[in-house]
Amino acid sequence: NAGVMQNPRHLVRRRGQEARLRCSPMKGHSHVYWYRQLPEEGLKFMVYLQKENIIDESGMPKERFSAEFPKEGPSILRIQQVVRGDSAAYFCASSPGQRNEKLFFGSGTQLSVL
Amino acid sequence: KQEVTQIPAALSVPEGENLVLNCSFTDSAIYNLQWFRQDPGKGLTSLLLIQSSQREQTSGRLNASLDKSSGRSTLYIAASQPGDSATYLCAVSPTDSWGKLQFGAGTQVVVTP
Repeated sequence: NAGVMQNPRHLVRRRGQEARLRCSPMKGHSHVYWYRQLPEEGLKFMVYLQKENIIDESGMPKERFSAEFPKEGPSILRIQQVVRGDSAAYFCASSPGQRNEKLFFGSGTQLSVL
Repeated sequence: KQEVTQIPAALSVPEGENLVLNCSFTDSAIYNLQWFRQDPGKGLTSLLLIQSSQREQTSGRLNASLDKSSGRSTLYIAASQPGDSATYLCAVSPTDSWGKLQFGAGTQVVVTP
């Protein structure tokens, strides 16, 4: 049973470009969470999704950021018109959705904006 | 607003010593508390999860305690090894959104041979 898979591991974008980060949850997991770790800061919650639904996006910036988790395929975190301040490690976690189950994290995508 | 603090920010110990890592949180209305390990360039590995009704959890050389009323948790690692070198994070889960974790900034641990 493969763990949470994130790709790419490293992504370099120039200011103004779009960044697409992918997350495939563990098999049998239908709940996905995205977190961001800015340099010298702790991990911050961004968004919580279930299949085809955004449950909580209270941690996501209102502009330029969007997330989806379609019925088929991975969850996608999309950042439009990236700026240098978007440079961070983006982590995805998944769970089967039962209370008091551990979250399983992927290895993250390191986004660097030039 | 929940605040999670981890002290110390960094810790260096010789191999064989016991490690004590502290985590405090300001709002005791939590669903559970988790301890994670983060290695450089890698993701997070969940070490222990303590439900709010529990006082402690143990796994091998790891033991975590939870005192919800005082807003504290402690992670003990017995007989440390160089392989324990990593950053340790604690995270609390709010009662109204259990998967929306609030993380501390972490304690960076170095165990020297």
